[in-house]
Parts: sequence; structure tokens; C-alpha cells
Amino acid sequence: AQKVTQAQTEISVVEKEDVTLDCVYETRDTTYYLFWYKQPPSGELVFLIRRNSFDEQNEISGRYSWNFQKSTSSFNFTITASQVVDSAVYFCALILGSSNTGKLIFGQGTTLQVKP
Amino acid sequence: ETGVTQTPRHLVMGMTNKKSLKCEQHLGHNAMYWYKQSAKKPLELMFVYSLEERVENNSVPSRFSPECPNSSHLFLHLHTLQPEDSALYLCASSQERTDWNTIYFGEGSWLTVV
Repeated sequence: AQKVTQAQTEISVVEKEDVTLDCVYETRDTTYYLFWYKQPPSGELVFLIRRNSFDEQNEISGRYSWNFQKSTSSFNFTITASQVVDSAVYFCALILGSSNTGKLIFGQGTTLQVKP
Repeated sequence: ETGVTQTPRHLVMGMTNKKSLKCEQHLGHNAMYWYKQSAKKPLELMFVYSLEERVENNSVPSRFSPECPNSSHLFLHLHTLQPEDSALYLCASSQERTDWNTIYFGEGSWLTVV
């Protein structure tokens, strides 16, 4: 069975601190895609990144970086020098390469609160 | 501004009411989705439409009835709901149902069943 686990339910940091959000996934498929979404209080899911299972290169986008490690089935997300605007719920998600429906399998989400 | 718009943003309905949620995408996509987000549960896929044809019905109760009249519009018709159906309902679209590079979500419709 496929599963995504975000063990951290809530994280609270002070502005300018670095913070890492953990994501562990389970699948027996060799081809899959991993996503991170941000959900601000308004409700919209904002796409942050997509990674396929054959590309283990880490990625950096501004203050955001992602560490994909197939050996530990993890796809962690780090925010450097956090800001109050980063406060949101963050979801990690998985799609199997064999899927023909575009079904995203989501983790429970991590609520990040960044205090001024 | 999001390419996927949902109306209404907030809805309160009684258990005997009939209401509908509407989703419209302005991205030229061919696939549309309904997801449900309940408190303390992961987002769950409800329905998938591809070129106006339903391709996935994820064991959703019949009190939820989707409709996709064209590739730009998706509805979720609601009738005789239960309080436990209160949730955020999110619409999404993608270029194709196998194109995972372009999955975009709307802002959601907050539903409260009283």
C-alpha cells in the first residue's frame, strides 16, 4: 500500500530560524512522483515542487530547499530564514507512475507557525 | 490569481437541503478533480473527470453527485448530507489525468452541514 507520513503535526519557530519539514513515503513502485504543497489560511493548495523517483538531485529555490533520499524514502523540505508569511499548513504528496487517474496521496500535513 | 475558481467559498446547509459546489478552470486543462479535506484526515480524492468522462469514483457516498458538463466546469451536487460531511472541498485540474506536472488547486469551498 502507498502511504505518506508527515510525523510533525505542528512546528513553531521564531522568524529567521531555519526549519525542516519531514516527509516519509511508502511505495513498491519504482516510478513515482513526490510533491510539496503549501496551504495558507485561505484554503488554496499552492504547488511548491514536483520530483520524480529517478531524480535525486536536491533542489533550491530561494529560501526553499528539498532533500530527496530514496535510501530512506524521505523527501524533506527546509525553509531557510523563515518569515511570518511562511506560516501555513504544508503537505507532502505522492503519485504513482502507474496511476492513470492523477490521484495524489497526501500526508496529514504539518502546520508551521512562524512568530515575529 | 488562481486559474481554478470555486464557488461558493463558504456554504452552510441543513441535512435536508440540496446545494451545489461549482468549479471552473481557466487553464485549458482536460482533467478535473474533487478532493475532500476533513479535520485531522489527509486530503482524499473523491472524483476524477477526464474530457468530461468520470474515470474515478473513490467509494464516495451517493449523496455526493458530480457533474462535468464540459472540460472547464465541474460541479458537486450535495443532498441529504450528514454533519460529518462538513469539510473543505477542493477542486483541482491538470492538463491530462496522467500529467502530474500541472496539478493546480482552487481555494476550496468550506462546507458546514448543520
